[in-house]
Amino acid sequence: DQQVKQNSPSLSVQEGRISILNCDYTNSMFDYFLWYKKYPAEGPTFLISISSIKDKNEDGRFTVFLNKSAKHLSLHIVPSQPGDSAVYFCAASPNNAGNMLTFGGGTRLMVKP
Amino acid sequence: DTGVSQDPRHKITKRGQNVTFRCDPISEHNRLYWYRQTLGQGPEFLTYFQNEAQLEKSRLLSDRFSAERPKGSFSTLEIQRTEQGDSAMYLCASSLATYNEQFFGPGTRLTVL
Repeated sequence: DQQVKQNSPSLSVQEGRISILNCDYTNSMFDYFLWYKKYPAEGPTFLISISSIKDKNEDGRFTVFLNKSAKHLSLHIVPSQPGDSAVYFCAASPNNAGNMLTFGGGTRLMVKP
Repeated sequence: DTGVSQDPRHKITKRGQNVTFRCDPISEHNRLYWYRQTLGQGPEFLTYFQNEAQLEKSRLLSDRFSAERPKGSFSTLEIQRTEQGDSAMYLCASSLATYNEQFFGPGTRLTVL
């Protein structure tokens, strides 16, 4: 049973436009959510996170939105750049810090010049 | 470089052989995690340590798998009697116990022939 789902395996966006990556979860114990970016042959790199007490967190070109009632979060990248092309993973953790992360299956983002 | 390091980066072995991987976390991080990632999937949690204590193990961690963190610094993951289904990327991550953000190493890619 997948507790974290990323229903779009891939997304193609033109450089300069907005990229929106979506993630849904089922476990109501999840209280903290993270986005990671992964390039080939490298480990995942932490991008941005959000606690369930917030509905938005912004860091430069990256914004994460959380809709707790819908159990849905999204990552917005504006403007998208070719270097953003990577696989993006959504991850969730229960409310105690330092716990295991449960990951979605990933979305491959391709930003075309 | 003060990031998480893993050794070896690649390992090819024959079915039935034992393999051991090493992870060196970020020095001040007291939590260390092991994950496994197969093609097209997100990382799946295997086990984690706080200092030298192994606090949680996933049901994915069969009795052929053992992990140690003897002095609360580096960790090893051993797989005995490898099977073809063990072929995957093995990822190590570390964090402070008070934070949810985990920092990943580059992974060890295991191929079992």
